[in-house]
Amino acid sequence: SAVISQKPSRDICQRGTSLTIQCQVDSQVTMMFWYRQQPGQSLTLIATANQGSEATYESGFVIDKFPISRPNLTFSTLTVSNMSPEDSSIYLCSVGVGNTEAFFGQGTRLTVV
Amino acid sequence: AQSVAQPEDQVNVAEGNPLTVKCTYSVSGNPYLFWYVQYPNRGLQFLLKYITGDNLVKGSYGFEAEFNKSQTSFHLKKPSALVSDSALYFCAVRVYTGGGNKLTFGTGTQLKVEL
Repeated sequence: SAVISQKPSRDICQRGTSLTIQCQVDSQVTMMFWYRQQPGQSLTLIATANQGSEATYESGFVIDKFPISRPNLTFSTLTVSNMSPEDSSIYLCSVGVGNTEAFFGQGTRLTVV
Repeated sequence: AQSVAQPEDQVNVAEGNPLTVKCTYSVSGNPYLFWYVQYPNRGLQFLLKYITGDNLVKGSYGFEAEFNKSQTSFHLKKPSALVSDSALYFCAVRVYTGGGNKLTFGTGTQLKVEL
């Protein structure tokens, strides 16, 4: 398994500002994944973060809105830029272990006012 | 494209009774199937997985799931429900393409276990 720490656990932000979410893993992993869970909905993959290369974004998500960093094999950040109330969601970091199950951080609950 | 369906938004069960949370999937290839649970204000916790082998998979907290290839289903079950099992349950699928652990999730089923 993997232990994943996400910061912050929650935040309330003003519209138009940006928030950077950090994800720290207790072991080296090749891929890290960022998901969004909008209120009352399921999880949607935002992007895959690979160390040493640009993140790969899913349809509907763009780098200008959700820039991602992956400076090493245990850490990644997701920035939610120029926020609007529609960005209010839970953002989750995930890592894969052994090419089978994925493990998730506790999530960051973001409210944009 | 792969997809997962959880046909029930909510399942209500009395404590001590068996529970079933339904999941069906659609993939082009051999699926990897997963169940996760989410408690309020928490992240997702891994419950169990099916990769290959026995169709009945046992997982955490007494949960099990049955893989049925002909019905493309992977229903979550527990013989005797507890109030503490009340949570949001997600089924997820992945086709192994060497692309990592990118999952497609169902819409979730809220399980409510009552005394």
